[in-house]
Amino acid sequence: GNSVTQMEGPVTLSEEAFLTINCTYTATGYPSLFWYVQYPGEGLQLLLKATKADDKGSNKGFEATYRKETTSFHLEKGSVQVSDSAVYFCALSGWSTGNQFYFGTGTSLTVIP
Amino acid sequence: KAGVTQTPRYLIKTRGQQVTLSCSPISGHRSVSWYQQTPGQGLQFLFEYFSETQRNKGNFPGRFSGRQFSNSRSEMNVSTLELGDSALYLCASNFDGTGTAYEQYFGPGTRLTVT
Repeated sequence: GNSVTQMEGPVTLSEEAFLTINCTYTATGYPSLFWYVQYPGEGLQLLLKATKADDKGSNKGFEATYRKETTSFHLEKGSVQVSDSAVYFCALSGWSTGNQFYFGTGTSLTVIP
Repeated sequence: KAGVTQTPRYLIKTRGQQVTLSCSPISGHRSVSWYQQTPGQGLQFLFEYFSETQRNKGNFPGRFSGRQFSNSRSEMNVSTLELGDSALYLCASNFDGTGTAYEQYFGPGTRLTVT
């Protein structure tokens, strides 16, 4: 089957700290992988995506690499800011899932000054 | 292009009532998905509509239903509301090109409170 597993939160970091949020997946076929971010009171926004193995998605200083051998898509940022405080969701979708999206449970990040 | 819009943004209903939520996808998008988001259960998939047909369905009781119109706008209906239906209901649309996974674009959600 298809599923996404994210590291449990909440995660609290000081400003300028390094961020890693782990995401692993189980899928039939070769899905695309996504990271979405949800700010308080809002819907989800696409942060970055990767469509095939070894692709690196990047946006706003965040990046994640599609690792087929470890079935992982970990989110990283070198220096977090207070404005990065949000909930982050890892997701997969693709032809093999009938284009249905599968989301992880979300990881809450709080960055303190 | 205008984003995904959802109406209403906030709703308060009483147990036993029914409710209809509306979603207008991005112009040109043919697929609309609905999700329920709660603090305890996270983001749960309700159903997906494509070209007026339900294509995928999550594990929710039959009280939850939906439909899609020829202009791709979608509605979801919840009958006989229960307290546990209080949640943020998110709608997402994507183009759904054949053989390619296009990212979903989410609306701001409808916050439903059942009292």
